Amino acid sequence: AQSVTQPDIHITVSEGASLELRCNYSYGATPYLFWYVQSPGQGLQLLLKYFSGDTLVQGIKGFEAEFKRSQSSFNLRKPSVHWSDAAEYFCAVMKSSGDKLTFGTGTRLAVRP
Amino acid sequence: EAQVTQNPRYLITVTGKKLTVTCSQNMNHEYMSWYRQDPGLGLRQIYYSMNVEVTDKGDVPEGYKVSRKEKRNFPLILESPSPNQTSLYFCASSYGDVSYEQYFGPGTRLTVT
Repeated sequence: AQSVTQPDIHITVSEGASLELRCNYSYGATPYLFWYVQSPGQGLQLLLKYFSGDTLVQGIKGFEAEFKRSQSSFNLRKPSVHWSDAAEYFCAVMKSSGDKLTFGTGTRLAVRP
Repeated sequence: EAQVTQNPRYLITVTGKKLTVTCSQNMNHEYMSWYRQDPGLGLRQIYYSMNVEVTDKGDVPEGYKVSRKEKRNFPLILESPSPNQTSLYFCASSYGDVSYEQYFGPGTRLTVT
C-alpha cells in the first residue's frame, strides 16, 4: 500500500529565510505527487504536482519541489519565506489517475518576524 | 463561480442518530471524494467516486456510506455516528484525469457526543 511520511511536525523559520519541507513516499513505482497548503480555518489549496518529466516542479506562491526517485522523496522548497506562508503543508501521493489519494500527516510552518 | 459546497458547516449530534453531510460541485467534475482530518493524522480518504454510480473505499471507510446518483452530488452518510467520528470533514472534486487540480470544499466540523 502507498504511504507518505512527513518527518517534521512543526517547523519555524524567520521571515526571509529559505525553507525546505520533507516528504518521503513508499510505493513500488513512481506515483503522482502533490503538495497542498492549508491556511488556518481554510480548505486545502494545491501548490504543485509531479507526474513525470522534469524532476524540478514549479508551483504557485514561489514554491518548488524536487522529485528524487533514488530517495523516494518530493521535498518542497521556497527561497525566501513570507509571513503569509505560515500554514500547514501536506504532501500527498496517488498511484494512478482516479485512484485514492493518500496524504501525509502534515507539517505546520510558523514564520518568525 | 466554480466551487465545492458542503452542508452543514457545523454539526453537533448524538451517538446513533443518522446524519447526512451534503457535497455539491458545479464544475462537472467526474472525480469526487471525502476526507476526514484529525490532529496528528492529516487527511485520510474515506470514499471516492470516479463517476455516477461508481464508488470506492479509501483508507478509512468503516462507519460511512456514500452514494453518487448525480454527477454533481456526493453525500456522506453516517448511519449510526459514534464519538470517534468527531472530526473535520472535507469534500473534494476534480476532473477524472489526475493532471487536473482537486478542489476542496470549506469543511464540515462534526461533533458526536
